[in-house]
Amino acid sequence: DTGVSQNPRHKITKRGQNVTFRCDPISEHNRLYWYRQTLGQGPEFLTYFQNEAQLEKSRLLSDRFSAERPKGSFSTLEIQRTEQGDSAMYLCASSPGALGETQYFGPGTRLLVL
Amino acid sequence: GNSVTQMEGPVTLSEEAFLTINCTYTATGYPSLFWYVQYPGEGLQLLLKATKADDKGSNKGFEATYRKETTSFHLEKGSVQVSDSAVYFCALLSGGSNYKLTFGKGTLLTVNP
Repeated sequence: DTGVSQNPRHKITKRGQNVTFRCDPISEHNRLYWYRQTLGQGPEFLTYFQNEAQLEKSRLLSDRFSAERPKGSFSTLEIQRTEQGDSAMYLCASSPGALGETQYFGPGTRLLVL
Repeated sequence: GNSVTQMEGPVTLSEEAFLTINCTYTATGYPSLFWYVQYPGEGLQLLLKATKADDKGSNKGFEATYRKETTSFHLEKGSVQVSDSAVYFCALLSGGSNYKLTFGKGTLLTVNP
């Protein structure tokens, strides 16, 4: 069990650029989650996958955000035309086969939009 | 909707002091409750959890008891160490949305030698 990994760990970009983050869940975990954490706040749910199917998207996920999980393995989160308000820590988590089970988090990708 | 209210921080203690971080919640149905810890520069780690009323979660000397009558899940530790310095988050999973964690704002704990 190598844990959830995320890349890159840090990203600095200019406003208007596109960025993509990657998450590799714990192997054999069917469920994968994305959260966003801003300074001084707890993480907020963005979206959730069961295998390759994206089952829920938060209202926080504007149309500039897109997430994929091809083949039900790793996931990517893309932000198009970044804005300064997108600056945050983006956390990925995974869990085994049943709803309500413990979610295990990765180290996060910290995004700074200048 | 679901919500979690945590004691405002920061909390500063001396080593070996007693720790309490209060957490209360509002939820539909019967939530599962969690405490996560975030060390500087790292992601969230599960500290402990409880899935039904009167359950006590415990790990690394930390404890929390699921109190349905007071809708609370307070975190306690009898003797803190410098290495416990971190941000602590209370969270819940509940009802029809039992795939999305709802977090409190977090409480920063600093333990001085």
